[in-house]
Amino acid sequence: DQQVKQNSPSLSVQEGRISILNCDYTNSMFDYFLWYKKYPAEGPTFLISISSIKDKNEDGRFTVFLNKSAKHLSLHIVPSQPGDSAVYFCAARKTNAGKSTFGDGTTLTVKP
Amino acid sequence: DTGVSQDPRHKITKRGQNVTFRCDPISEHNRLYWYRQTLGQGPEFLTYFQNEAQLEKSRLLSDRFSAERPKGSFSTLEIQRTEQGDSAMYLCASSLGSGAPYEQYFGPGTRLTVT
Repeated sequence: DQQVKQNSPSLSVQEGRISILNCDYTNSMFDYFLWYKKYPAEGPTFLISISSIKDKNEDGRFTVFLNKSAKHLSLHIVPSQPGDSAVYFCAARKTNAGKSTFGDGTTLTVKP
Repeated sequence: DTGVSQDPRHKITKRGQNVTFRCDPISEHNRLYWYRQTLGQGPEFLTYFQNEAQLEKSRLLSDRFSAERPKGSFSTLEIQRTEQGDSAMYLCASSLGSGAPYEQYFGPGTRLTVT
């Protein structure tokens, strides 16, 4: 039973446009959500996070939206840049737990 | 701060052999995690330590797998009697404390190939 799902394996957008990456979760006990970015031959790097007490968190070009009732979150990148091309992982956790549960990732390609 | 390092970066072994991987976390981080990642999937939690105490192990972690963090600094992950299904990227991560934002800093991983 996959508790965190990223249903789009890949996404291609034009430079300067918006990239929207989606993530769904099934475990209602999750109360903290993170996005990581991964380049080839590197480990994932933290991008942005959101607590379940919020519905939006913004950091520069990156915004994460959380819809608790739908158990859905999304990452918006505006404007998209070629350097954003990477695999993006959504992760979810319970506040007092140690582990994070990851989705399978979405490969974003930003075309110049 | 040199980040999380893992050694070796690549390991090829024959089925049935034992292998050991090492992870050096960011020095002030008290939490250390091991994940496994196979092609096309996200990192899958294996186990984590707070200082030297192993606080949680996944059901995925069979009795062939053992992890240690003897002095609360570096950690080792040993796989005994390797099987072809153990072929994967093994990722180590560390974090500071147990509070938000809960971000984990990942190393580059050790790619294991079992032939």
